[in-house]
Amino acid sequence: DVKVTQSSRYLVKRTGEKVFLECVQDMDHENMFWYRQDPGLGLRLIYFSYDVKMKEKGDIPEGYSVSREKKERFSLILESASTNQTSMYLCASSLGVTGAFFGQGTRLTVV
Amino acid sequence: ILNVEQSPQSLHVQEGDSTNFTCSFPSSNFYALHWYRWETAKSPEALFVMTLNGDEKKKGRISATLNTKEGYSYLYIKGSQPEDSATYLCALRYNTDKLIFGTGTRLQVFP
Repeated sequence: DVKVTQSSRYLVKRTGEKVFLECVQDMDHENMFWYRQDPGLGLRLIYFSYDVKMKEKGDIPEGYSVSREKKERFSLILESASTNQTSMYLCASSLGVTGAFFGQGTRLTVV
Repeated sequence: ILNVEQSPQSLHVQEGDSTNFTCSFPSSNFYALHWYRWETAKSPEALFVMTLNGDEKKKGRISATLNTKEGYSYLYIKGSQPEDSATYLCALRYNTDKLIFGTGTRLQVFP
């Protein structure tokens, strides 16, 4: 079974802190994604990576950056956390045209 | 931003009722459509991948149809059960491997 693991289930950070959300997949998938989920807004794509060191902005990249130094790991970075970044963050991976496999989600609260 | 719309936003049905909901999308440059089920406190789980106009997929009591020319897909649940309660998400893949999600339909089935 494909496993996508996010480093934390729950996280509380202070405004202005630099925050790292880590995601690791164990199936050698090329594509990895970071989404955030907010009530009534569905899953919105923040960033997408289709290969090591390759990335593409999604619909809402402002305030975020990403890093993909190794194929299995895709990190989401909040350079200076703000309260409007309080959300559920979901990482996913996929191979070509297959459906995406998701991690368990990280609920981030910025206070 | 590519717009993927789902309706209704939420649905409450009695156990045994059949139900259906819609995913609408811009039909140009379509590549594939994915349906996911997302239960509370779990990760989204893939249901179907559909690529061809007129495609029909079935898994137990759940089935889906696809019309790429007019830009919609229907998901049907026959004889809903309480364990079908979840948010159902559709996602579009266009000419890259990027997945764009709709806002979801939240289904609650009452015993």
